[in-house]
Amino acid sequence: ETGVTQSPTHLIKTRGQQVTLRCSSQSGHNTVSWYQQALGQGPQFIFQYYREEENGRGNFPPRFSGLQFPNYSSELNVNALELDDSALYLCASSSGQVDYNSPLHFGNGTRLTVT
Amino acid sequence: AQSVAQPEDQVNVAEGNPLTVKCTYSVSGNPYLFWYVQYPNRGLQFLLKYITGDNLVKGSYGFEAEFNKSQTSFHLKKPSALVSDSALYFCAVPNNNDMRFGAGTRLTVKP
Repeated sequence: ETGVTQSPTHLIKTRGQQVTLRCSSQSGHNTVSWYQQALGQGPQFIFQYYREEENGRGNFPPRFSGLQFPNYSSELNVNALELDDSALYLCASSSGQVDYNSPLHFGNGTRLTVT
Repeated sequence: AQSVAQPEDQVNVAEGNPLTVKCTYSVSGNPYLFWYVQYPNRGLQFLLKYITGDNLVKGSYGFEAEFNKSQTSFHLKKPSALVSDSALYFCAVPNNNDMRFGAGTRLTVKP
């Protein structure tokens, strides 16, 4: 069973630039969620994709956008980067749209630093 | 909205002693509650969940959690702590399509 993989592991960008983060979901999982974890805080929900459609969004501005592909892998795009976007970005996959019985399976994250 | 709170930023215990990491919840309807652990430079790993049934839930690595409806708590416990248990622990509750996490508790187990 292949787990959730994220790339790159680390990234340094300049304020105003754009970034794309990638995630491959665990085999058999059709739902991908993205979270932002600032230093010393718990993960904050950005959005979720189910069968290539956005299926819920947290309190993040439109410059945070995403995609899910037919193989259920996903991308997180952030435009016009701000210093406060510096964080660990976590991707999590699960086996259902809303399945409270199924825990989230997380990747190891992408550490984004905006200077 | 569903939410959880972790009242302690930091918990320190000696190896071999019992440990407790606290979590309280605020939910409407039946609570579904989760614990996750995060080791340095890693993603979160699922430890255990409460859906319904027995108030004492057993999970991975010898951890267990006690669901208490009257106190709206879901504390994580382990009878004998190991140095390798040192990590960041998160309580969580589903809220529609997202999982709401607490702020986390850093557990340090000293030899």
